[in-house]
Amino acid sequence: GENVEQHPSTLSVQEGDSAVIKCTYSDSASNYFPWYKQELGKGPQLIIDIRSNVGEKKDQRIAVTLNKTAKHFSLHITETQPEDSAVYFCADSGAGSYQLTFGKGTKLSVIP
Amino acid sequence: KAGVTQTPRYLIKTRGQQVTLSCSPISGHRSVSWYQQTPGQGLQFLFEYFSETQRNKGNFPGRFSGRQFSNSRSEMNVSTLELGDSALYLCASSTTPGASSTDTQYFGPGTRLTVL
Repeated sequence: GENVEQHPSTLSVQEGDSAVIKCTYSDSASNYFPWYKQELGKGPQLIIDIRSNVGEKKDQRIAVTLNKTAKHFSLHITETQPEDSAVYFCADSGAGSYQLTFGKGTKLSVIP
Repeated sequence: KAGVTQTPRYLIKTRGQQVTLSCSPISGHRSVSWYQQTPGQGLQFLFEYFSETQRNKGNFPGRFSGRQFSNSRSEMNVSTLELGDSALYLCASSTTPGASSTDTQYFGPGTRLTVL
């Protein structure tokens, strides 16, 4: 079945630095790639997503890039702030799929 | 617009019991998906409902079941609870079936189930 690998599992950065989280997927039919942020005691919150017809998408300090040939996509957070500290999940969905397959998550800690 | 709501937020049950969890999707959303989240396995897809029909089911035993009502609210049931069923159960809603290149899933806060 479909598999999504996410790295790193933990990431610590200084406030103001950038953070990059990478995911690799196995299903070449995957065409939708969302990123979720989960804070303690809360459900995952969609922060950005990208569809297979574009290579990059940006929303203020957050950007996602997609390389369909290599089957990997990345989340980039610039000018990190303490409130960015959370667990981030990548996911994908294949054509005709009714479910999201998630990576194992990255715990991001932004040190003030 | 109100988000996805789940009740109850916390549950404690003992082995062998059964439990029913409820999910109310965002107004206008007709698709509800359920996921189980555990530290070891991460987020795993349970099943999805659209227009009161189960559209897809993940790799979970038959003890896990669900249904959807005409107002799009959904319930999931776990019978004969086991210790390993302790998890955060999340539901997500979207306007169209599934997570596709044309739609987005929005998650609720989850129900924390503890099985003793």
